[in-house]
Amino acid sequence: AQSVTQLGSHVSVSEGALVLLRCNYSSSVPPYLFWYVQYPNQGLQLLLKYTSAATLVKGINGFEAEFKKSETSFHLTKPSAHMSDAAEYFCAVSVWNQGGKLIFGQGTELSVKP
Amino acid sequence: DTAVSQTPKYLVTQMGNDKSIKCEQNLGHDTMYWYKQDSKKFLKIMFSYNNKELIINETVPNRFSPKSPDKAHLNLHINSLELGDSAVYFCASSQNRDRGFTEAFFGQGTRLTVV
Repeated sequence: AQSVTQLGSHVSVSEGALVLLRCNYSSSVPPYLFWYVQYPNQGLQLLLKYTSAATLVKGINGFEAEFKKSETSFHLTKPSAHMSDAAEYFCAVSVWNQGGKLIFGQGTELSVKP
Repeated sequence: DTAVSQTPKYLVTQMGNDKSIKCEQNLGHDTMYWYKQDSKKFLKIMFSYNNKELIINETVPNRFSPKSPDKAHLNLHINSLELGDSAVYFCASSQNRDRGFTEAFFGQGTRLTVV
């Protein structure tokens, strides 16, 4: 079975500071990993995905994540936070033989202070 | 054009009523899903259909019945609504590839409030 743990339900950074959102996964088979962002009262938008190609994945809006198998991690980073980055972020895992089902972490709310 | 569209966006109804949520995708995907997001924003899959065939049913009460008339549509019907059904319901779609699925594209969600 797969699972995802996001460390920190709420992260607060200053504008221009580094954003680091942590995600650890558990999977008995090679996983596919995703980060989604949810703005208030909206649906989920894909930020980036890892599907067994390059371990450093670049996404939209300046975000990137690194797949580290030895640490079972897929942390999301952005060098410089912008006010518009304030949102809820979800890490998710899926595996190839489970019908595309996504298993989500608990979510991390990112606040950006001026 | 919206890739995955759900209607209605908001739904307020009384306990015991029956309601439906509709979903349509224009991405040409063959797999569609329903996810439930609870009040703590936790997301959990409910159902998945692949080419109109049910492939995932995650121990959801049988008051919930998905229906897929074709691979571009997946509707969710809920009978005898209960207070605990209040949540945001998301429809999503993805494409089945040889070694897994593409990323899922999500609709805007339907906020269901049962009073």
